[in-house]
Amino acid sequence: EDQVTQSPEALRLQEGESSSLNCSYTVSGLRGLFWYRQDPGKGPEFLFTLYSAGEEKEKERLKATLTKKESFLHITAPKPEDSATYLCAVQASARQLTFGSGTQLTVLP
Amino acid sequence: GAVVSQHPSWVICKSGTSVKIECRSLDFQATTMFWYRQFPKQSLMLMATSNEGSKATYEQGVEKDKFLINHASLTLSTLTVTSAHPEDSSFYICSARGQVTRANEQFFGPGTRLTVL
Repeated sequence: EDQVTQSPEALRLQEGESSSLNCSYTVSGLRGLFWYRQDPGKGPEFLFTLYSAGEEKEKERLKATLTKKESFLHITAPKPEDSATYLCAVQASARQLTFGSGTQLTVLP
Repeated sequence: GAVVSQHPSWVICKSGTSVKIECRSLDFQATTMFWYRQFPKQSLMLMATSNEGSKATYEQGVEKDKFLINHASLTLSTLTVTSAHPEDSSFYICSARGQVTRANEQFFGPGTRLTVL
């Protein structure tokens, strides 16, 4: 059974304080690992797809990396508007996404 | 590109009534659409997967007679919650995948908040 574990559950940062979110996964035949951002009362917003170990993607203050067992979402010099829940999901041979429980990020001004 | 809309964004209904939620892919053809349910402070739980022109595939524990899914065109899928009860109150989110997206990417709608009184 595919499993995705995200840590920490919640993270509070001061504005400008860089940090990383972790997504550990166990899947049979990874087709892709996805990062989404979800604001309260909204649907998830697509951020990145990573397909193979060693791959990296960047978008503004966010950088996602992938190894064979985990992915990190690095946030550099975050701003209050980066506050959201960040979801990690994996897709294996079943072609359905399995989501982690998310990391709720709060960036304080 | 890859925009997915949902309507309505919120709905309040009485117990026993049926509610229909629409999911549209606005700028691409969605060969596959997914319906999720999300409870407060929890992650997304897949309810069903639908391919255009085919019957939906429901996840274990999801009542297919209660949650009717129709994917009649490449841009529209509907979820009908029949005989809704308070325990059906939740946040329902659809997502879509199609030819213009990379093979495995899903794009999500903004969600529909259902409250059953």
